[in-house]
Amino acid sequence: EAGVAQSPRYKIIEKRQSVAFWCNPISGHATLYWYQQILGQGPKLLIQFQNNGVVDDSQLPKDRFSAERLKGVDSTLKIQPAKLEDSAVYLCASSLRRETEAFFGQGTRLTVV
Amino acid sequence: QQQVKQSPQSLIVQKGGISIINCAYENTAFDYFPWYQQFPGKGPALLIAIRPDVSEKKEGRFTISFNKSAKQFSLHIMDSQPGDSATYFCAASGRSNDYKLSFGAGTTVTVRA
Repeated sequence: EAGVAQSPRYKIIEKRQSVAFWCNPISGHATLYWYQQILGQGPKLLIQFQNNGVVDDSQLPKDRFSAERLKGVDSTLKIQPAKLEDSAVYLCASSLRRETEAFFGQGTRLTVV
Repeated sequence: QQQVKQSPQSLIVQKGGISIINCAYENTAFDYFPWYQQFPGKGPALLIAIRPDVSEKKEGRFTISFNKSAKQFSLHIMDSQPGDSATYFCAASGRSNDYKLSFGAGTTVTVRA
């Protein structure tokens, strides 16, 4: 069974630039999550999708972050404009249902300079 | 608001020794307590999980001890091996928060040969 795929693996941008991350969840998984993991901290949930609908985006800085999940499968997370404090690993995870185990991708390491 | 507090931040153990990581939670409605293992450059992977109807769960060399009244749970790694060197995160979730995982800050375990 293929795991959660994310791209790119690494990204370096200047502050005020924009960036987008892509996630392909495990086939059949209805729930998709985006987490932000700052160095030395645990993952923090940014947004949760159930199929193509948003369940929770309370921790998403909506003035600069946006996310969508088209057709309930792939998802993209965008940051525009980026700030230095956005430097982190962005993890995508998926689960069959909300109450089942979440599987994580390898993440995208973003460095904002 | 950190819902799960984890300690220590890091620990070093000799090969064959026991590693112990502790977590405390605040939300009494949490009913699922997983531990994730994360290697550098990889996403977190589920290691072992427990629900509050049992006080202990063992899988191979990994054991979770759960104290509902104290709102604490811990991970014990027996006979620690160099391959166990990783960062470990405790987490908690439940129906009350729509099964969203709240992670601890992580513990970096180094096993010396």
